[in-house]
Amino acid sequence: NFMLTQPHSVSESPGKTVTISCTRSSGSIASNYVQWYQQRPGSAPTTVLYEDDQRPSGVPDRFSGSIDSSSNSASLTISGLKTEDEADYYCQSYDSDNPVVFGGGTKLTVL
Amino acid sequence: EVQLVQSGAEVKKPGESLKISCKGSGYDFTTYWIGWVRQMPGKGLEWMGIIYPGDSDTRYSPSFQGQVTISADKSISTAYLQWSSLKASDTAMYYCARREGVTLNFDFWGQGALVTVSS
Repeated sequence: NFMLTQPHSVSESPGKTVTISCTRSSGSIASNYVQWYQQRPGSAPTTVLYEDDQRPSGVPDRFSGSIDSSSNSASLTISGLKTEDEADYYCQSYDSDNPVVFGGGTKLTVL
Repeated sequence: EVQLVQSGAEVKKPGESLKISCKGSGYDFTTYWIGWVRQMPGKGLEWMGIIYPGDSDTRYSPSFQGQVTISADKSISTAYLQWSSLKASDTAMYYCARREGVTLNFDFWGQGALVTVSS
């Protein structure tokens, strides 16, 4: 089994840019797609990125994703931060033996 | 419109059994995997298992294998998560979610079902 490790929390000011990392413990991050989910308090998660860097319709282009094989990690970058972006963010991936693996989640505070 | 509607909140005692449901609509229920995800109070998302309603092929997370049973009734487009003997540590919000077949993304989620186990 592999794990996905995220920072517990990040904070940034409105209008700024923040990046949340997701590091895979074993196996290549590039071998399987990474999805990112946003969960606001009291709500179910929703997808903000799938297939590493694809945005579902309705997700603003302030949200972007990337993969870095050298650090074996995926990243979610949110630019032009808004107070409404304050939420928990989870990365998720898989492999042939593990159909679903979630990261521990990152609490984004926009202050 | 794709929707997953889960059954309501439950309050149970330790040792009791429980079956919660997730009804899909607006799409062909038999051709998408349905996953179950636990979220304990103040904690992160934990994948429990996944089922393909078309043939009831089911995979469990090792952490939940033997602790719960996942099933589906494709005739009524409903997936289930059940416990035979609840523990206080099963207190959590439980989400079902549809897994898109190509992207493997959980693209639609139920509203969640809060299960409280307390004596």
